[in-house]
Amino acid sequence: GESVGLHLPTLSVQEGDNSIINCAYSNSASDYFIWYKQESGKGPQFIIDIRSNMDKRQGQRVTVLLNKTVKHLSLQIAATQPGDSAVYFCAEGDTGNQFYFGTGTSLTVIP
Amino acid sequence: KAGVTQTPRYLIKTRGQQVTLSCSPISGHRSVSWYQQTPGQGLQFLFEYFSETQRNKGNFPGRFSGRQFSNSRSEMNVSTLELGDSALYLCASSYGYSGNTIYFGEGSWLTVV
Repeated sequence: GESVGLHLPTLSVQEGDNSIINCAYSNSASDYFIWYKQESGKGPQFIIDIRSNMDKRQGQRVTVLLNKTVKHLSLQIAATQPGDSAVYFCAEGDTGNQFYFGTGTSLTVIP
Repeated sequence: KAGVTQTPRYLIKTRGQQVTLSCSPISGHRSVSWYQQTPGQGLQFLFEYFSETQRNKGNFPGRFSGRQFSNSRSEMNVSTLELGDSALYLCASSYGYSGNTIYFGEGSWLTVV
């Protein structure tokens, strides 16, 4: 099967600093990638997406970078806030609307 | 616009029983997919339906099944429950046929005792 792996299972950052969450994927055919945020007791919430024909995409305080050469995806959160504390998942999709998810990175923001 | 709605939110079942979970997608969305989430395992794909047809199926035993109705609402069923089926079951919906963002509901927490 496919594998989507995260380099770091946990990440702690100071409030106001920038956060970078990394993700490796294995399927070269994947053409659509999504980052989700999941808070305790809630379902995953869409943050930002990127297609394989792009290298970078920016949203509000978030940026996703895609490096297809090394099959690497990253999520950058600017000026991290306590409300950003959550588990972050990357997901890759290649067929229909089926996605493969990583195990997640737990982000803790230290006030 | 209302999000993805899942019912029930919490339930406890006994080993050997069966359970049915329900999902109402975002209005206008025709694709519904189901995922199982367990501690340390992340989200694992169960199956996806589009226009009442199952398109993709994950690597789960036949005890896990689902269906989609003409109004795009979906149900999944797990028969002969095992302790290991205890998990958060998430439903997600999306608009189009392929390569679309999927939006999740809050999930149904199933505990098997």
